[in-house]
Amino acid sequence: QITLKESGPTLVKPTQTLTLTCTFSGFSVSTNGVGVGWIRQPPGKALEWLGIIYWDGAQRYSPSLKSRLTITKDSSKNQVVLTMTNMDPVDTATYYCAHRPLYNSVWNSFDYWGQGTLVTVSS
Amino acid sequence: DIVMTQSPDSLAVSLGERATINCKSSQSVFCGSDNRNCFAWYQQKPGQPPKLLIYWASTRGSGVPDRFSGSGSGTDFTLTISSLQAEDVAVYYCHQYHSDPLTFGQGTKLEIK
Repeated sequence: QITLKESGPTLVKPTQTLTLTCTFSGFSVSTNGVGVGWIRQPPGKALEWLGIIYWDGAQRYSPSLKSRLTITKDSSKNQVVLTMTNMDPVDTATYYCAHRPLYNSVWNSFDYWGQGTLVTVSS
Repeated sequence: DIVMTQSPDSLAVSLGERATINCKSSQSVFCGSDNRNCFAWYQQKPGQPPKLLIYWASTRGSGVPDRFSGSGSGTDFTLTISSLQAEDVAVYYCHQYHSDPLTFGQGTKLEIK
């Protein structure tokens, strides 16, 4: 059974760096054909993909946020970490991590999601 | 970027009636492998994460009732709920996973009439 859970600060100040951890079970991020992505959702708004890290260490980021994002993995701890620099109030959102599987050599959609963590950016 | 546009933005349907939500992508999301479209539908209820309803445009996710069906190919897709139940009240999002950046539609809010 695959589960994911996000953790980190609920409140950050403008210009600070946000660090969120996704701790998961039921799979290994070092197994061929696995990706863990980050998606956020401002209150009352739509989903926005931030980025993803794959089993082989490859990373992909949203072009609009690429300069501010870093995603890393720690296979021994079953964790993926999102770092976002220079936080602004517009970054206030629920942040989700999600599992992405490979199917017959084609990457599938996110099938398992964490419950999400609300991050508020305010001074 | 592939832009996903859903219609309508909101929808009110009577219990037991059919609900239809459409999504149009700005580019084809046909994967080319096994005649698949890299396209999904998610259901999100208040306070919950999105739940995968449909992937490859027409394959139901694990445990998804068969009243939910997905159709379409290329750039035009449809989610149909054949007989609306009270528990189907939610926001529905379409999603393309054909190419980076992965993108979602703006959401369609489904309510009971």
